[in-house]
Formats: sequence, C-alpha cells, structure tokens
Amino acid sequence: AQKVTQAQTEISVVEKEDVTLDCVYETRDTTYYLFWYKQPPSGELVFLIRRNSFDEQNEISGRYSWNFQKSTSSFNFTITASQVVDSAVYFCALEVTGGGNKLTFGTGTQLKVEL
Amino acid sequence: DSGVTQTPKHLITATGQRVTLRCSPRSGDLSVYWYQQSLDQGLQFLIQYYNGEERAKGNILERFSAQQFPDLHSELNLSSLELGDSALYFCASSGTGTTFTDTQYFGPGTRLTVL
Repeated sequence: AQKVTQAQTEISVVEKEDVTLDCVYETRDTTYYLFWYKQPPSGELVFLIRRNSFDEQNEISGRYSWNFQKSTSSFNFTITASQVVDSAVYFCALEVTGGGNKLTFGTGTQLKVEL
Repeated sequence: DSGVTQTPKHLITATGQRVTLRCSPRSGDLSVYWYQQSLDQGLQFLIQYYNGEERAKGNILERFSAQQFPDLHSELNLSSLELGDSALYFCASSGTGTTFTDTQYFGPGTRLTVL
C-alpha cells in the first residue's frame, strides 16, 4: 500500500523567509511519480510539479525548488523568499502505476505567510 | 482562471438523492479527471476519461459514475447519497490521455452538502 505523510500540519513564516514543506512517501514499487499541488484560499487546486522515481535531480522553478531523495523517501518543497501570495495548503501526492494508476495524497500543509 | 468550468458551484441535497455534477474542460483538452476533497477522506482521485472513454479509475464508489460526452464535457453522477459524500468535487483537464503525465488544470469545484 502507498502512503504519503506530510507531518507539518501548519507552518507560519514572515514574508521573505525561506520555508521547506516536508513530504515522506512509502511504496514498494520501483516506478512511481511524485507531485506537489497548491490550494490557495480561493479553493482551486494548482498543479506544481510531477517527478518520476528515476530522476533524482533537484528542480528549481523561480522561487520554488524541490529536493527528491530516494534514500530517505522524501520529496521536499522549498519556497525561497516567501510572499503573502504563497499562503495556501500544499499537497504532496504519490502515483504508482503497477496494477493501474493509483494516486495517493498527503493530508496537506497549511502555509501562512505574514507581513 | 484555469479555463475549466464546473456547475453548479454549490449543491445541497438530502440523503438518498441523486445529483449530477458537470465539468467543461479547457478548450482542446481531451482528458477530464474527477477528484473528491472531504474532511474525512482528504483528497482522492476518482476517475479519468479521455476522449469519451474511461482511462483510469481511482477510489470511486459504485454509487458514483461518470461519463464524457462527444463535446468533451463530463458529468459525475452521485446516487444514493450519504452524509459522508458531502465534499468538494473537483474536475481537472489535460491535453493527453496518459494518466497524470501532463499538467492538469483544475476547475473551481462543486461544493456538495448532503443533509
């Protein structure tokens, strides 16, 4: 069975601080995909990234970066120089394809960025 | 604005009833995904349709069904409703049929309340 753990329920930071959201996953599959989604206060989900299990290179997109470490089964998300607009709930998810596409979400981390 | 539309925005109904949620994908997108977000279950992937055919199935209950029409809009039918079906139902669209491989664009959701 697959599992995604986002242990941080809520994080509060002051604008311009860097913040890292943790995601730990469990699967026995060797081929899998990891995702991050953002859900701002407006409620709509926004896809941020999808990464496959064979690509452990870190990814950077503007102020966002992702650190994938197979050794610790983690796919952490860092926001550099946070802004108020980053306030949202962030979800990590795991997809395994063996036996059909199974997508498992974490419970989400609420990030509050204050002035 | 993602370009994905969902109607209605809110729906209040009683246990045992049946409802239909509607989703129109972004222009040109052939895939439609349905997700459920509830307090109890969190975020769950329900089902994907691609160009009128079911492509992937997630945690969709037997009481729920979906279809995608020739004009590519999709409907999610929920029957014999229970209190636990109260949730936000999201639809997302993407260009390709390969499940979860490309960016999904999410609609604003339909808030279903079962009384």
